[in-house]
Amino acid sequence: QVQLVESGGGVVQPGRSLRLSCAASGFTFSNYALHWVRQAPGKRLESVAVISFDGSYDHYPDSVKGRFTISRDNSRNILYLQMNSLRTEDTAVYYCARDHFQRDNWGAFASWGQGTLVTVSS
Amino acid sequence: EIVLTQSPATLSLSPGERATLSCRASQSVSRHLAWYQQKPGQAPRLLIYDASNRATGIPARFSGSGSGTDFTLTISGLDPDDFALYYCQQRSDWPITFGQGTRLEIK
Repeated sequence: QVQLVESGGGVVQPGRSLRLSCAASGFTFSNYALHWVRQAPGKRLESVAVISFDGSYDHYPDSVKGRFTISRDNSRNILYLQMNSLRTEDTAVYYCARDHFQRDNWGAFASWGQGTLVTVSS
Repeated sequence: EIVLTQSPATLSLSPGERATLSCRASQSVSRHLAWYQQKPGQAPRLLIYDASNRATGIPARFSGSGSGTDFTLTISGLDPDDFALYYCQQRSDWPITFGQGTRLEIK
């Protein structure tokens, strides 16, 4: 079965960096777009990054553009999120998610990890 | 950015009843809308994709309809396990956006 396991969360000061990882198993990793979605306390879900199945393109919302970078290692089945210049408003549970669709079709989150908490606080 | 507005914010019903949840988009998303269920302490679960297609393993009591800007999730015959938070989400345009959620609670 599909498994996604995030790691790398924790407490970090504003302005610092953190890298999240997501180890995947149970499916053909290189066939799917992958996402990072976050959920701050009491707020709606927010998609913060997507990377295509082959890593050739990615997208970010304005709230994280220029600070966050998504990447993937298709040889090791691992997804990453590099988060720089962190702000208090980045505090949230971060989920990695596998797309429902394969290859160049994407945009529905079929499988989710358990989430990792990132707290940005001085 | 496409804004999704869900109504009602809270829906109070009894097991066995029918639930109707709405999601309205600020501009047309065609049929590129999904629905998720989330329980406390858990990740969301995909129920419906592309407006009316049930995801793998989702019971037939869950159904979706709509296109353009107005969408509905219907749960026919509520099971006690269905009381949770429900979100809609669009993939028509980047950034992908979610609604603010509808809480389905036991009356």
